[in-house]
Amino acid sequence: GAVVSQHPSWVICKSGTSVKIECRSLDFQATTMFWYRQFPKQSLMLMATSNEGSKATYEQGVEKDKFLINHASLTLSTLTVTSAHPEDSSFYICSARDQRGVYNEQFFGPGTRLTVL
Amino acid sequence: GEDVEQSLFLSVREGDSSVINCTYTDSSSTYLYWYKQEPGAGLQLLTYIFSNMDMKQDQRLTVLLNKKDKHLSLRIADTQTGDSAIYFCADCPNNLFFGTGTRLTVIP
Repeated sequence: GAVVSQHPSWVICKSGTSVKIECRSLDFQATTMFWYRQFPKQSLMLMATSNEGSKATYEQGVEKDKFLINHASLTLSTLTVTSAHPEDSSFYICSARDQRGVYNEQFFGPGTRLTVL
Repeated sequence: GEDVEQSLFLSVREGDSSVINCTYTDSSSTYLYWYKQEPGAGLQLLTYIFSNMDMKQDQRLTVLLNKKDKHLSLRIADTQTGDSAIYFCADCPNNLFFGTGTRLTVIP
């Protein structure tokens, strides 16, 4: 199946710094990528939908100035957590939709664990 | 908005069958999905079912869909310790909506 990678897999940073997370589709082109956030022992929460070449669509309650999303190419989307604070500590997972798929599958990255001290 | 619900925990003995249940509210999805998440890892698509089907079998996995009751289940036959993980159902009326996840623990 299609592969989606994320980098870094784990990051620890000081409060106030910004952290960039990359999501790449390795063997397919993804016009749409998604960013999810998962708190411990909870389900995934969709943060935003990112379409290549256009602005991301954010879900209600997600601060667009806090979580900057860029989808500059068909294989790369980035999420930047600006001025991170301890409450931003979470597991961030991206997914990419393979337009060739017949059942509209999203392929998920392995996730990035962010710990803000 | 869409609401997808699952029970939180399930424990079974190795070799037994596991049945994980899911209910959803939006019936407009074309496909419904089951994902598996191992500790500290991302999600892996296990299987999916087209909304006009009521059953799909894939090796040890059987998916049952009751559209009238908006109920989806995943049966794992001959459950192994490697099946211990969190299982999420998801439907996709426009975007993917995930259930709360069911933590399956397989007792040797």
